[in-house]
Amino acid sequence: EVQLVESGGGLIQPGGSLRLSCAASGFTVSSNYMNWVRQAPGKGLEWVSIIYRDGTTYYADSVKGRFTISRDNSQNTVFLQMNSLRAEDTAVYYCARRHSSRNAFDIWGRGTMVTVSS
Amino acid sequence: DIQMTQSPSSLSASVGDSVTITCRASQTINTYLNWYQQKPGKAPILLIYAASSLQSGVPSRFSGSGSGTSFTLTIRSLQPEDFATYYCLESYSIPYTFGQGTRLEIK
Repeated sequence: EVQLVESGGGLIQPGGSLRLSCAASGFTVSSNYMNWVRQAPGKGLEWVSIIYRDGTTYYADSVKGRFTISRDNSQNTVFLQMNSLRAEDTAVYYCARRHSSRNAFDIWGRGTMVTVSS
Repeated sequence: DIQMTQSPSSLSASVGDSVTITCRASQTINTYLNWYQQKPGKAPILLIYAASSLQSGVPSRFSGSGSGTSFTLTIRSLQPEDFATYYCLESYSIPYTFGQGTRLEIK
């Protein structure tokens, strides 16, 4: 079965760090374009970051310089390292696959909640 | 960055009605436009990709159209399970941008 499972969320103080994981099954992350998308409580969806098949990475301006996307091919897992966390980073973080030819996010995980609060 | 303007922000309709949701891009995005459905506490589900192609498994009452800067999602003969929030997403250029969402409620 093709699926994504996120983990690593939790309650963290402002200025702290957290690493999210997204484990894939049924397909290979290194052969796909993998994304993180977040949704603050009661708000809309916001694209956060992407890692290309060749390892190139891009970020939303709101997280640039603080977040780092990476992957471990042996674990078939994508990560999001989040540093210098702020209250406005509080959100459900979803991992999503961008279909290579359809150019759409076709597979999503269930999400993991990150709460930044003192 | 491309801005996506989605309207309306909310919509009330009855079972059996047809509704249309619109997204406009601040610059041309060809047909790099996708539509998603999201229910409370759940991840989004892809409905339409490339502006008008129906994702596998999605009922045919959902349809999309448009190109360039103007796009629509139409839902015909609304079913109870269709009441949810809908988002458009441009996948033309990074940073990818979602519309603000349309909450479809039962009248």
